[in-house]
Amino acid sequence: AQSVTQLGSHVSVSEGALVLLRCNYSSSVPPYLFWYVQYPNQGLQLLLKYTSAATLVKGINGFEAEFKKSETSFHLTKPSAHMSDAAEYFCAVKVTDKLIFGTGTRLQVFP
Amino acid sequence: EPEVTQTPSHQVTQMGQEVILRCVPISNHLYFYWYRQILGQKVEFLVSFYNNEISEKSEIFDDQFSVERPDGSNFTLKIRSTKLEDSAMYFCASSESGAFQETQYFGPGTRLLVL
Repeated sequence: AQSVTQLGSHVSVSEGALVLLRCNYSSSVPPYLFWYVQYPNQGLQLLLKYTSAATLVKGINGFEAEFKKSETSFHLTKPSAHMSDAAEYFCAVKVTDKLIFGTGTRLQVFP
Repeated sequence: EPEVTQTPSHQVTQMGQEVILRCVPISNHLYFYWYRQILGQKVEFLVSFYNNEISEKSEIFDDQFSVERPDGSNFTLKIRSTKLEDSAMYFCASSESGAFQETQYFGPGTRLLVL
């Protein structure tokens, strides 16, 4: 069965530091992978998605993710964290017509 | 930019009561979904709906749950007899097609509290 695993339920970084949120997938077929962000008291917003067109995917708000088949990973990065990046981030894999989400990573950004 | 809307934003109900959660998907979208997120847990798929039929449903989506598209704009989730464990945030989503690469757009959610 296809699934995603997010390592680290909480990540804390200083403003301006590199953000790295980890996601590993399990899939016997080429996966379609998504990163969503959830700001406090809001719904899920798409950051970026991997659809096999390119292994390095650029998303909104300066985030990007690289699909690495050899490592079964799709980690989310941002070179320089901003206070406004504080939120919960979810990795997800598309299975038939539904999204299977990871457990989420809460990102805290300190001044 | 078009967005998915949901009403109400919060609902408190007594155990055993029926609740209806409402969603207005993006207007040209054809596929509709409900997910839920119990506090502190991951977002879970409930049901997908296309062409006035359920496409897929999870184990959570038992006989107490039903979905309906009563008109050309609304998409509803009904819970017939609520249980304490139904307390969660319920998200509606829609997509233009059911293709694997298609983005699902989520609404802001309805927080349901069952007492």
